[in-house]
Amino acid sequence: QKEVEQDPGPLSVPEGAIVSLNCTYSNSAFQYFMWYRQYSRKGPELLMYTYSSGNKEDGRFTAQVDKSSKYISLFIRDSQPSDSATYLCAMSRNSGNTPLVFGKGTRLSVIA
Amino acid sequence: KAGVTQTPRYLIKTRGQQVTLSCSPISGHRSVSWYQQTPGQGLQFLFEYFSETQRNKGNFPGRFSGRQFSNSRSEMNVSTLELGDSALYLCASSLTGTDTGSPLHFGNGTRLTVT
Repeated sequence: QKEVEQDPGPLSVPEGAIVSLNCTYSNSAFQYFMWYRQYSRKGPELLMYTYSSGNKEDGRFTAQVDKSSKYISLFIRDSQPSDSATYLCAMSRNSGNTPLVFGKGTRLSVIA
Repeated sequence: KAGVTQTPRYLIKTRGQQVTLSCSPISGHRSVSWYQQTPGQGLQFLFEYFSETQRNKGNFPGRFSGRQFSNSRSEMNVSTLELGDSALYLCASSLTGTDTGSPLHFGNGTRLTVT
């Protein structure tokens, strides 16, 4: 079982829809959770950053972490064509020299 | 504040050659990590440097190496290139390293094609 699982999609939604992106993980030691957005021919860009469980909101984006279920989500409200990109979840532990572990990414297309 | 800068953006090399990629982190960031990104495997961790010391290394052969300079700039080297090394190589910097929860900030990568 991979440490982080993410459905690769592709996911296609109409403009204005609410998008839900998810990752599951197996390592209960993960404490820091991030979402990155990657446009074609660009590097990943940090979107959301959360510590431990709970919700965090930033504009149209909401990140949720459920550590009891080992499940994290990113919600995008009022999706726009400019949101079309690959979304990567990432997580890390808070001890030891351990790297950030990434999901493989979900490709999202928002159709105008 | 300038972001992470990677040079060159594109490289085409032949099997057996070696290549050096360069990365300048965000000013003030002391940790630099390198990742390889391919469509099949996603982002795979290569190594992390902090204050010129390698802190962690991923599961890649010894042909992949790196270093960090006193100004936090980093280079990675791949020797004896193989076709399978064709990938997007991403450098990322963080303030204090990922083990403290400091998030990574990525450059736009170097696209390496090995023919």
